[in-house]
Parts: sequence; structure tokens; C-alpha cells
Amino acid sequence: GQQLNQSPQSMFIQEGEDVSMNCTSSSIFNTWLWYKQEPGEGPVLLIALYKAGELTSNGRLTAQFGITRKDSFLNISASIPSDVGIYFCAGRTLTQGGSEKLVFGKGMKLTVNP
Amino acid sequence: EAGVTQFPSHSVIEKGQTVTLRCDPISGHDNLYWYRRVMGKEIKFLLHFVKESKQDESGMPNNRFLAERTGGTYSTLKVQPAELEDSGVYFCASSPGQSYGYTFGSGTRLTVV
Repeated sequence: GQQLNQSPQSMFIQEGEDVSMNCTSSSIFNTWLWYKQEPGEGPVLLIALYKAGELTSNGRLTAQFGITRKDSFLNISASIPSDVGIYFCAGRTLTQGGSEKLVFGKGMKLTVNP
Repeated sequence: EAGVTQFPSHSVIEKGQTVTLRCDPISGHDNLYWYRRVMGKEIKFLLHFVKESKQDESGMPNNRFLAERTGGTYSTLKVQPAELEDSGVYFCASSPGQSYGYTFGSGTRLTVV
């Protein structure tokens, strides 16, 4: 089945540093999504990307949809302690039944030291 | 507006028992999804409802899992009988239509011992 390879799996950074993470796949996706999950909560959508090559920002977050539609990256600039959490990439695809579903990466656990 | 609500937040049951998870989507959202994250692995699709109809259940692991959505409102996911490998966090999400963003609930952490 379709898989997303997300890297790195974890990062420990100092407050104020920038962080980058990416996802790659052997499959093409029409939409790439980046989510953040905090302890005890469900994933929350950060950025959605709909077109190949699209570069989108949301505050200190910047994400790009790869030209090949098989990859995406997320950058967080000037990290702050509340950036701590697990970041997931997800690609939207059609199911066998003609529905839509999200295929998720395994997540990247971010720790920010004050 | 109220978000997606899941109940219970945690459940610990013995192997062979039955557990029912409940999801209340955002009011007016016709699309309801169930996903599951097993420890250390990615979040995986289980099934998709449009109103009360199952649009796709290709992600359901086996016939021990039964999902329903009564009257197109809340949904339940029953596991009967539960096995150890069913442990994980079960997420529900809803959206007003396909291709819209999903809103996820906080999840139910199921532990089968």
C-alpha cells in the first residue's frame, strides 16, 4: 500500500532555532497536509497544499508541495517552547471504494529546550 | 462550535472483551472518518461514512470491528472480541465534504491486556 517516509523521527532543538522536516513517497498525492498533535489531543491541521510546487506559509511555518507530487517539507522558524509536539505529514488519496482518505507519515517528535 | 467529541478518552479491557467507542462529529458534518494509530506506527484509515452510509470500509482490520452511524449523527466503533493487537489510539474526524479539511477528535486510547 501507499506509504509516506517521514524524517527525521525526532529532533531536539534550542528555542529560537529553525527546524525542517520532510516526507517522501513513491506514490503521487494531490494534496499534502501537515498536522501537529499535542499530548492528549488529536491532530490539528497546520498547512494544506493543493498544487505541485506550491509554497505556503502560516506564521512561522512554511511548507512546500514538491514538483513531482511525491514529497513535501515543513519548516518552522524561530522555534518556541509551545512548538513541542508530534508533527505528521499526510497525503490525500482515493480509496479502493472511491472515497478519500489520508495516508500519514509516522510523525516527528519535536522537543524544544528553553 | 463544538469540536469532534470522542468517548471514552481511555479504555482498558481484557482480551476477549467487547469495547464500544463513540464519536460525535461537528454538527452538520456529513463526512465522518475513523482512523487508528497503533504504537510506533503511522495513523491509518479505517473507514468513512457519508451521513449514515458506509462510503468505504477498506481499512477495517477484520470482522471483529463493526462501525455504525445511527441516523447520520454520532458513530460507534465496536471491537468484539478485543485482541492485544487492537491496542492503540482511535481517532474520529469529521468534515463538511470531501476535499475539505478534517477536524479530528482527541482520540480514545484503547489498551487490551
